[in-house]
Amino acid sequence: KQEVTQIPAALSVPEGENLVLNCSFTDSAIYNLQWFRQDPGKGLTSLLLIQSSQREQTSGRLNASLDKSSGRSTLYIAASQPGDSATYLCAVCMYSGGGADGLTFGKGTHLIIQP
Amino acid sequence: DTAVSQTPKYLVTQMGNDKSIKCEQNLGHDTMYWYKQDSKKFLKIMFSYNNKELIINETVPNRFSPKSPDKAHLNLHINSLELGDSAVYFCASSQGPGGDEQFFGPGTRLTVL
Repeated sequence: KQEVTQIPAALSVPEGENLVLNCSFTDSAIYNLQWFRQDPGKGLTSLLLIQSSQREQTSGRLNASLDKSSGRSTLYIAASQPGDSATYLCAVCMYSGGGADGLTFGKGTHLIIQP
Repeated sequence: DTAVSQTPKYLVTQMGNDKSIKCEQNLGHDTMYWYKQDSKKFLKIMFSYNNKELIINETVPNRFSPKSPDKAHLNLHINSLELGDSAVYFCASSQGPGGDEQFFGPGTRLTVL
């Protein structure tokens, strides 16, 4: 059964720093991996989707990498801003006989960027 | 324009009642999902529908019954509500079941008293 772990569980850094959030998964036979952010009391916002054949994806100050064989992904946030404060969730999609499974989520990294 | 919408946003009800949560997506997607986020903020897949057909049912009590009247809607009906059903329920959609990017609704916070 797929398990997704995110480290650290919480992180607080001063504004302007570059930071890395880590995600690991136990079963490397994934379809893709998706990073989300969740603001308090809100839904999930998709940040980046990396297909299993890809190594990384970039969007603005965000860069996500995927090492499928070792079961790891990182989310790199450059020049952090207070508006980046949120919970960041990593989720993997497995393939099943009927098509893709739903996403299996980690428990998230709660990020606080201090002004 | 809202891509994935859910109603209601908040739902407070008594144990034993039956309630429904509605979800609609205007993205033209074929696949829709229901996820449950528990009190510890852990998100878990409940159901997945592709083109109105159930493709995933993840060991959810049969008190939970999803219904998809058309591709754009996936409603969640819950019978005989229990205290443990209190959670935030998220609807999501994707282009297809083949591992496409999933887009989430704002969530429905269900509180069972």
